[in-house]
Order: sequence, then structure tokens, then C-alpha cells
Amino acid sequence: DSGVTQTPKHLITATGQRVTLRCSPRSGDLSVYWYQQSLDQGLQFLIQYYNGEERAKGNILERFSAQQFPDLHSELNLSSLELGDSALYFCASSSREPLNQETQYFGPGTRLLVL
Amino acid sequence: SQQGEEDPQALSIQEGENATMNCSYKTSINNLQWYRQNSGRGLVHLILIRSNEREKHSGRLRVTLDTSKKSSSLLITASRAADTASYFCATAPWGAQKLVFGQGTRLTINP
Repeated sequence: DSGVTQTPKHLITATGQRVTLRCSPRSGDLSVYWYQQSLDQGLQFLIQYYNGEERAKGNILERFSAQQFPDLHSELNLSSLELGDSALYFCASSSREPLNQETQYFGPGTRLLVL
Repeated sequence: SQQGEEDPQALSIQEGENATMNCSYKTSINNLQWYRQNSGRGLVHLILIRSNEREKHSGRLRVTLDTSKKSSSLLITASRAADTASYFCATAPWGAQKLVFGQGTRLTINP
């Protein structure tokens, strides 16, 4: 158990809908990262937050957004969902300043299926 | 596109044998990390090797890093059935606040 929790574990929805994925980092970790894992694209970095502020952006679509709250939990919002958004979405956390690029601890993931 | 490329894409060996996986990358890095993922589950961090290190051990794991060739290898000795999983290398490029993952090696240990 990494100490990172993600809810829900599974999500089934329809195209055009909007969903919110939630992540609670390990106790004391200030950095939260979101990744998308799909069969064709592999593991892709989406976005990173550190202590409530956005620090880095990866291959995140404009239809997707995220935020980190004062209690350090994070939410990833996916809107206008398309079939191709079906994937595993992982949250990871780390304790150090972002530039130290230390070990990231991954949550169990949210499996999203868009029908 | 992915920075890291693992080789082979899939590896099947007998229990007790050693398994070697390789990773190549393109840009200068701060460190390189190996992760394991059991089917459909979260990633588990295995080991981190910094750019100024050449070799690191952790239990049955041995990682090497050759920055001149931009490559790394992960050796799992005396493999067990429980080692069956996908293994990913992830690079931390200098100045970039993210990990870049390869496509992974699918390792199967046959009893």
C-alpha cells in the first residue's frame, strides 16, 4: 500500500459527460501528479501540482483540468468525454520540492470506461 | 512520444532464472527509476539511480546506468512467479518536473 488513495476505482459513463477523479496523497506529500495509461499511448504525464499550485503540464487535453486543494487532495476533471478517454488514470505523490524529482508513489488508479 | 524504450517488449523465463530488461532514453537526466505494475494495478517503485551513479542494488534487483549510452538495465536474479508483472523505466529529465515512462517490458515467470 503506497499510502496514496484514489476514488472511485471504476467509472463507467457515456460520451459527452463529465467526471471527477479524486486523489489523496501520502501524508506529508506536497506534490501530486496525474498520469493517464492507455493501451495505445502508454503512461502519459498529465499535470503536476505542488502545495496547491500548478507546477508542470504534460499531454493534458484542454477538456481536462485539475486542482489541488488546501488539504492537498487533488481532483482531475474530465469533460466532454470521448471514447478515446477510456483509460487508467493514476495519481502519484512525492514529498520533495519538484525539482528534486524524487520517488513518486502511485495510487491504485481509477479505471474509466466511456461508452 | 515516450522518452524511454524498454527492450524486450515481452520476456518469458523459468522460475529461478535471471531476467534482464533494458531501457534507452534520449535526453540528459537527473535520475532514472524502475517501477513494477501488476496487471491493471498501480505502479510500485522499485529503485532509483541518479545520473552520477553507475550501479545500484536492492535485494534481488540490480540496476546499471550508462549515461554515455543513455541506457539502463534492470536485472532480477533468482526470479519467482510473483515477479510476473510489467516493468517500466522512467526518466527524470533535467529541468523537467515530471517522469517520462517507457512502454514497459512484460515479464512472465513460468513455474
